[in-house]
Amino acid sequence: GDSVTQMEGPVTLSEEAFLTINCTYTATGYPSLFWYVQYPGEGLQLLLKATKADDKGSNKGFEATYRKETTSFHLEKGSVQVSDSAVYFCALSLDQTGANNLFFGTGTRLTVIP
Amino acid sequence: EPEVTQTPSHQVTQMGQEVILHCVPISNHLYFYWYRQILGQKVEFLVSFYNNEISEKSEIFDDQFSVERPDGSNFTLKIRSTKLEDSAMYFCASRGQAPNEKLFFGSGTQLSVL
Repeated sequence: GDSVTQMEGPVTLSEEAFLTINCTYTATGYPSLFWYVQYPGEGLQLLLKATKADDKGSNKGFEATYRKETTSFHLEKGSVQVSDSAVYFCALSLDQTGANNLFFGTGTRLTVIP
Repeated sequence: EPEVTQTPSHQVTQMGQEVILHCVPISNHLYFYWYRQILGQKVEFLVSFYNNEISEKSEIFDDQFSVERPDGSNFTLKIRSTKLEDSAMYFCASRGQAPNEKLFFGSGTQLSVL
């Protein structure tokens, strides 16, 4: 079935460190891939998405590239800030908008320390 | 930015009791969803709702679960007879009708069944 597997956390980094959170997927069709972020006390928010192979999604300094050959969508940021502390969820959907029936990973908690 | 509101943030109930989780979606949205995350596991799709009826549901959403839009603004999830394994964080989400509309999630209700 369709699923995503993401790196288990928690991840603790110092400010300005490089971040990678790994995500791999399994899908029967041609999924769209997403990263959601949940800041403390808030709902999940769409961070970025990619709808086809080799697409790169980017937002707020975060990037992820849709790699069909490795079935991966790893999240990266070159220099994290304390304000990036949150839980990050990788997700896929067979609906390009990601508006229906998302398959999520378990979430990775990131803590950035000054 | 508009937000989806969920109440209560925490709900504790006894096994076998009925519980209703409340959500106020964004006012002009037409599609509504419930997801849940059992501690340490993936966020799982439960149900989607449009035009006053369920449009899709997962295997998790059995006869113990129901959803309702009682007054045109609230969107509720009812669990008729709670089990220990229903303990989870429940997320409500909504979206508008336009193509490429993204999902907006609430901050969740943590349900603990004792």
